Amino acid sequence: NAGVTQTPKFRILKIGQSMTLQCTQDMNHNYMYWYRQDPGMGLKLIYYSVGAGITDKGEVPNGYNVSRSTTEDFPLRLELAAPSQTSVYFCASFPTGGWGQETQYFGPGTRLLVL
Amino acid sequence: DAKTTQPNSMESNEEEPVHLPCNHSTISGTDYIHWYRQLPSQGPEYVIHGLTSNVNNRMASLAIAEDRKSSTLILHRATLRDAAVYYCILRPSNSGNTPLVFGKGTRLSVIA
Repeated sequence: NAGVTQTPKFRILKIGQSMTLQCTQDMNHNYMYWYRQDPGMGLKLIYYSVGAGITDKGEVPNGYNVSRSTTEDFPLRLELAAPSQTSVYFCASFPTGGWGQETQYFGPGTRLLVL
Repeated sequence: DAKTTQPNSMESNEEEPVHLPCNHSTISGTDYIHWYRQLPSQGPEYVIHGLTSNVNNRMASLAIAEDRKSSTLILHRATLRDAAVYYCILRPSNSGNTPLVFGKGTRLSVIA
């Protein structure tokens, strides 16, 4: 049981380039989330998904896109990278039905530098 | 969601107990109290949670005030590896798919 895995661990992008951050979980969780964390700051929600085929915007969705074709995978797409997207990106998942007692599981993060 | 208040930072000597406080004066009866921590360069990880009674697990203990308006995360013997940002988060029982909302937390430094 690997939990939540993310690739790549680190990436440098040039302004205007695009990339996809991969996230996979093997716990059969329906709920998945993408956060970003800027240096010294808290986590901000980018997008989330409550199940395959269903996604919704979080607090800071501009410049990003997501898809959820399977329960396991929740990739985050950056189009036209900008320096403001330099951050650490965390993927997370939640089981359903915990009624407030659910544990949220996080991946190890992807560090992105846009130059 | 009910708000939590934590000190910005705390310091502890290695192998001594650490008591990390959290105030949540507007907590509702169905809010669970969760604690997560974020080690340097890692994603947040679950530590412990509780509703009314004190809780113990292999990582820590959670002491909840009788009126539930505050709680304390207790690390019985701090190690250098416990240096992290600790987050106190309230989660209602009807949260559904609502993600956790992380505040600024308490940055714990452990001195050898």
